[in-house]
Amino acid sequence: NAGVTQTPKFRVLKTGQSMTLLCAQDMNHEYMYWYRQDPGMGLRLIHYSVGEGTTAKGEVPDGYNVSRLKKQNFLLGLESAAPSQTSVYFCASSYTGELFFGEGSRLTVL
Amino acid sequence: SQQGEEDPQALSIQEGENATMNCSYKTSINNLQWYRQNSGRGLVHLILIRSNEREKHSGRLRVTLDTSKKSSSLLITASRAADTASYFCATDRSNTGKLIFGQGTTLQVKP
Repeated sequence: NAGVTQTPKFRVLKTGQSMTLLCAQDMNHEYMYWYRQDPGMGLRLIHYSVGEGTTAKGEVPDGYNVSRLKKQNFLLGLESAAPSQTSVYFCASSYTGELFFGEGSRLTVL
Repeated sequence: SQQGEEDPQALSIQEGENATMNCSYKTSINNLQWYRQNSGRGLVHLILIRSNEREKHSGRLRVTLDTSKKSSSLLITASRAADTASYFCATDRSNTGKLIFGQGTTLQVKP
């Protein structure tokens, strides 16, 4: 029972490069979320999805795009990475409001 | 913007002592949740308390909620070294899991 799995776990990018973070959950949850965590701060919501084929903006969506083509997967894309996007990214899924988190993806943008 | 503010930011206690963390928030909520995060790991859900509840227990955890003061507290009794972690409160305004997190309290339990 894997729960929520994020890939990759670590990535270093140069400014302007693009990349995609993949989140997969095996709990058949409708809701999925992408958060970022920066030092000294709590988590901030980037984008979320309330079901397959739907996405919506969270608190800090600029510079990110997402897709939810399959219920179990939620992809987070950076089209043109910036140093301000250096962070730890967490994916989570939910059915009843309690969130289940992945282990995080640490992204560094040089 | 952060919904919650947590106090204290850091707490250091001896094993066996109780640890109390406080969370204040700004707007009305549907529920409030507490999460634990071990260093370098993802967050783990501890407890959820709904806006019409005042107190909830789970093992050594006790959570209170005062909606009139827009505040909550997490009490960990008889702490253990394994309780060393960061603890976050998070508020849900619409029961959709769109949580707004506080900045967290870092707890160190010394053996």
